[in-house]
Amino acid sequence: ETGVTQSPTHLIKTRGQQVTLRCSSQSGHNTVSWYQQALGQGPQFIFQYYREEENGRGNFPPRFSGLQFPNYSSELNVNALELDDSALYLCASSLGTGRLVGGDTQYFGPGTRLTVL
Amino acid sequence: SQKIEQNSEALNIQEGKTATLTCNYTNYSPAYLQWYRQDPGRGPVFLLLIRENEKEKRKERLKVTFDTTLKQSLFHITASQPADSATYLCALGRYGGSQGNLIFGKGTKLSVKP
Repeated sequence: ETGVTQSPTHLIKTRGQQVTLRCSSQSGHNTVSWYQQALGQGPQFIFQYYREEENGRGNFPPRFSGLQFPNYSSELNVNALELDDSALYLCASSLGTGRLVGGDTQYFGPGTRLTVL
Repeated sequence: SQKIEQNSEALNIQEGKTATLTCNYTNYSPAYLQWYRQDPGRGPVFLLLIRENEKEKRKERLKVTFDTTLKQSLFHITASQPADSATYLCALGRYGGSQGNLIFGKGTKLSVKP
């Protein structure tokens, strides 16, 4: 186990609704990244937070937003859900510097399976 | 746009043999490459990282090579066991972006038969 937890495990929503997913980082980690993994695909980077600030963003629309709290836990919010948002949402924590280091080991949580009907 | 290909969706081998998985990429210059293992319904688990200036890395029964000229990484599991059955993902990253911005392949599902 990586020490990264996510809730809920599974979630079913309907199109147009909003959803909030939660992630608790591994103890001592200050960086959280969120990924979307569609069935049969590799994870796709959504965004990363370092010390409560967004530190990078992938090719996702603004209706995907996030927060990181002082205890380094994090939320992913998705508004106006679409059918294509159905996926496994993964968060990964790491101990980063926020600078251009790269290559630090990321520890993934078990994911939240979101189904949009 | 950048593209990552993992040699096949599925690989079936016999226990005790060496499994070799391939990761090819185009239109990208990674500073490092990572391999992950993912079991059904679970998050990826980090296995190995290799940087652009390294040719080979080993960890127990695992070996990774990185050829930036061929734009290819090979991932080997020697003396494979049924417990090695999982999906293996390669991921590329580079400096100049946020640490989380890894580009993942689709993965290769490895099945090791007893």
